[in-house]
Amino acid sequence: GNSVTQMEGPVTLSEEAFLTINCTYTATGYPSLFWYVQYPGEGLQLLLKATKADDKGSNKGFEATYRKETTSFHLEKGSVQVSDSAVYFCALNTGRRALTFGSGTRLQVQP
Amino acid sequence: GAVVSQHPSRVICKSGTSVKIECRSLDFQATTMFWYRQFPKQSLMLMATSNEGSKATYEQGVEKDKFLINHASLTLSTLTVTSAHPEDSSFYICSALGEDRGRLFFGSGTQLSVL
Repeated sequence: GNSVTQMEGPVTLSEEAFLTINCTYTATGYPSLFWYVQYPGEGLQLLLKATKADDKGSNKGFEATYRKETTSFHLEKGSVQVSDSAVYFCALNTGRRALTFGSGTRLQVQP
Repeated sequence: GAVVSQHPSRVICKSGTSVKIECRSLDFQATTMFWYRQFPKQSLMLMATSNEGSKATYEQGVEKDKFLINHASLTLSTLTVTSAHPEDSSFYICSALGEDRGRLFFGSGTQLSVL
């Protein structure tokens, strides 16, 4: 079956630090990969996605590259801000309309 | 942008009671909604797929008689946890499939605590 594994949080960084949140997956077929973000009190929002190998998704300074050889989709940002504090979910979709999620990683950015 | 409203955000109830969680798509029609559950430090797990006007499709291991799903209109799906027990304490979140390119929109979740 499909599964997504993300690094456990919380991840605590100082403002302007470099961020990496690891995500690896197991899937049948060729999944599309996603990062969702949940800010306090809000629903999950799509942050970025990639639909095939070597694609790079990017949004709001965040990037993730679909690495088929390592089955990974690590989330990165060069300089985090306090406003990036949230929970980040890695997810995949293999054609079913429902997503398979990881457990989420809480990011706390300190001023 | 499309918004999904989930209510309540937090509920505490006694063991044996039933709890209803609502999920509404505010500015679009959602023929399909999904219900997820998350236990602490675990993944969001799909519980069931709710289709307007028809019976919900439940994932393996999810008791349909315990988790009643009703999707009577194109903008509302409800999840009722019947005869709740402490092991049902969890974070429940809904998502709705948008009309535009099939994007998913999520509610903000409901934290259920059963005493």
